Amino acid sequence: SAVISQKPSRDICQRGTSLTIQCQVDSQVTMMFWYRQQPGQSLTLIATANQGSEATYESGFVIDKFPISRPNLTFSTLTVSNMSPEDSSIYLCSVEMGLAGGDTQYFGPGTRLTVL
Amino acid sequence: QKEVEQNSGPLSVPEGAIASLNCTYSDRGSQSFFWYRQYSGKSPELIMSIYSNGDKEDGRFTAQLNKASQYVSLLIRDSQPSDSATYLCAVRPGGFKTIFGAGTRLFVKA
Repeated sequence: SAVISQKPSRDICQRGTSLTIQCQVDSQVTMMFWYRQQPGQSLTLIATANQGSEATYESGFVIDKFPISRPNLTFSTLTVSNMSPEDSSIYLCSVEMGLAGGDTQYFGPGTRLTVL
Repeated sequence: QKEVEQNSGPLSVPEGAIASLNCTYSDRGSQSFFWYRQYSGKSPELIMSIYSNGDKEDGRFTAQLNKASQYVSLLIRDSQPSDSATYLCAVRPGGFKTIFGAGTRLFVKA
C-alpha cells in the first residue's frame, strides 16, 4: 500500500474564507479521489482527479466550490471555497493502487475542517 | 434503493465471540468487494478484499461472497475490544468508482 499524508490535519476557519488541503503520496498513482465524511455518515465522493486532465465531479459538487489541482502523479490539492458551516466535515484523500486481483483504494489520514 | 446496504447497528458481541457483518449490493455486475475498518476519528483502513465467490480468510477475518445473492459478509473470530469500530462495506461495480455503504458499528464487550 501507499503512504499518504494530508495537510493540514485539522483547521478552524471563518465563514466566507477558503482552505486548501494538500495530499501527498509516496509513490506515483494514476487516480486520486477526494471524499467528504460528515459526522456519523459514510463517505461521499466529491471528485476524481487524474494527472493531466480536469477533475471529474460527482453530482452535487462543482468546480467553483471545490477546485482541485493534480499537477503530478504524487500530489493533489482540494480547495473548499467560500466556506459555510455546512462545509464542516472530514475531507479524505484516497488513491487507487493495483494489487493481485484488482485495484484497491487507500485513504489518507483526513483533514478535519470546522467552519464557524 | 441504496447501492450498498449495511445494517447500521450497533452490533454488540462479547469478547471472544464471532462478529458477523453483512452487506448487500444492487449492481449485479460488480466484481470487486472490500471491507474497511474505521476507528472513531480515523480514516478507513482496508482489512479485506474479495473478488470471487466463496470464503477468503486472513487471520481472524473471513470475507464471504455470494454474487448470485448479491451478498458479502465479514466474520471476525475471537472478537477483541480493539475490534470495536465502524466497518464499511465497499463495492466496485466496474470502472474506477467504489461505492461505500453507510457502515456497521461494532462493539466488543470485554
